[in-house]
Amino acid sequence: DIQMTQSPSSLSASVGDRVTISCRASQGISHFLAWFQQKPGKAPKALIYATSNLQSGVPSRFNGGGSGTDFTLTISSLQPEDYATYYCQQYSGFPLTFGGGTKVEIK
Amino acid sequence: EVQVVESGGALVQPGGSVRLSCATSGFYFNIYAMSWVRQAPGKGLEWVSTIGGSGGSAFYADSVKGRFTISRDNSKNTLYLQMNSLRAEDTAVYHCVYTTTLTIGTTNYYGMDVWGQGTTVTVSS
Repeated sequence: DIQMTQSPSSLSASVGDRVTISCRASQGISHFLAWFQQKPGKAPKALIYATSNLQSGVPSRFNGGGSGTDFTLTISSLQPEDYATYYCQQYSGFPLTFGGGTKVEIK
Repeated sequence: EVQVVESGGALVQPGGSVRLSCATSGFYFNIYAMSWVRQAPGKGLEWVSTIGGSGGSAFYADSVKGRFTISRDNSKNTLYLQMNSLRAEDTAVYHCVYTTTLTIGTTNYYGMDVWGQGTTVTVSS
């Protein structure tokens, strides 16, 4: 199975800050990497697919990058509505696997 | 607009069974894959199962293989998850997920897109 490791597990940041979340796969997954945002009590929302492609309606301050085993999600200027938990997920093969999540909190 | 709405969650005794349903709208259900993903209380996301659009291909997490069965009724635009031999560790919110398929050569890649709000299964005596 492909293990997905996110770092950090949590972070505190202020509105306007640039935030970067890392995700590492235990083996190469090409570009088959997605990012999801989840707010408390809500369903996860797809943000990015294929490493760097924004889902429809996702603000351009979200940016995904990387390839192979190392990936990042960057929020260029953190907004109040961005406080949430973020998950990476590989879909290179079964079983599909998620990272443990990164909780972005208000500083 | 793609919509998926889960139902069927319940309080079930260990060893019991429950069937989850996911009603969908806003897309051609019969050509899209669908998935189930669960989230135990206070925990992260765990993929459970994916089924191809035709229903011919089904994939399972090892933790549920042999106990859970994913199926679909394309005439009703509905996805199901039959859960048998339930254990305490199956307690979770179960999300239905509209899943896109990318085919490269002979390999399919399944990307999860729109998620339902989820339905809660609690396994406890």
